[in-house]
Amino acid sequence: QVQLQESGPGLVKPSQTLSLTCTVSGGSISSGGYYWSWIRQHPGKGLEWIGYIYYSGSTYYNPSLKSRVTISVDTSKNQFSLKLSSVTAADTAVYYCARALGGRPRAFDYWGQGTLVTVSS
Amino acid sequence: DIQMTQSPSSLSASVGDRVTITCQASQDISNYLNWYQQKPGKAPKLLIYDASNLETGVPSRFSGSGSGTDFTFTISSLQPEDIATYYCQQYDNLPMYTFGQGTKLEIK
Repeated sequence: QVQLQESGPGLVKPSQTLSLTCTVSGGSISSGGYYWSWIRQHPGKGLEWIGYIYYSGSTYYNPSLKSRVTISVDTSKNQFSLKLSSVTAADTAVYYCARALGGRPRAFDYWGQGTLVTVSS
Repeated sequence: DIQMTQSPSSLSASVGDRVTITCQASQDISNYLNWYQQKPGKAPKLLIYDASNLETGVPSRFSGSGSGTDFTFTISSLQPEDIATYYCQQYDNLPMYTFGQGTKLEIK
């Protein structure tokens, strides 16, 4: 059973960089065939896909966040990470890591429990 | 960009009712549509993929249909544990993924 677990600071100051890590267990990122994604949910709102990384390191980001987002992977630790720069209060959200199937259907079949990140001074 | 519009945004129904949620895409997305259930404080859970296929382990009272721009998600007989927010998600214009705004389902 694949499990994903987010970790990182729950409070970030405005203008700083939000950094989160997702640790994957029960399966290897290096095995390929999946896109390892970050998705966020503003309080009381819907889901916004941030971007993904493949085990090889190739990435794709939501154009609305592209200038501030970096997703990286550490296959030796079976982890992938999110960095979001120049944060504002509008970046306060629950951040989820999730696995997207590499072939059809392109669905998110495993999710982390989510971690709330608050941007405040 | 493809926009996904769900309706209604909220819904109140009684146990045993048949519940229907719709999702409309701003352009033809074939059947590249998935449905998720999100219970309060929890991560979303995949229920339906490719518009009409039930994910393994999901109760058969859940179903989906549609293709092109109009899709329907149905619960044939509402159970108390179905209280959640439901989201559609398209993957026609990969590598972008887009979710609908959600439908909050409550028990009457």
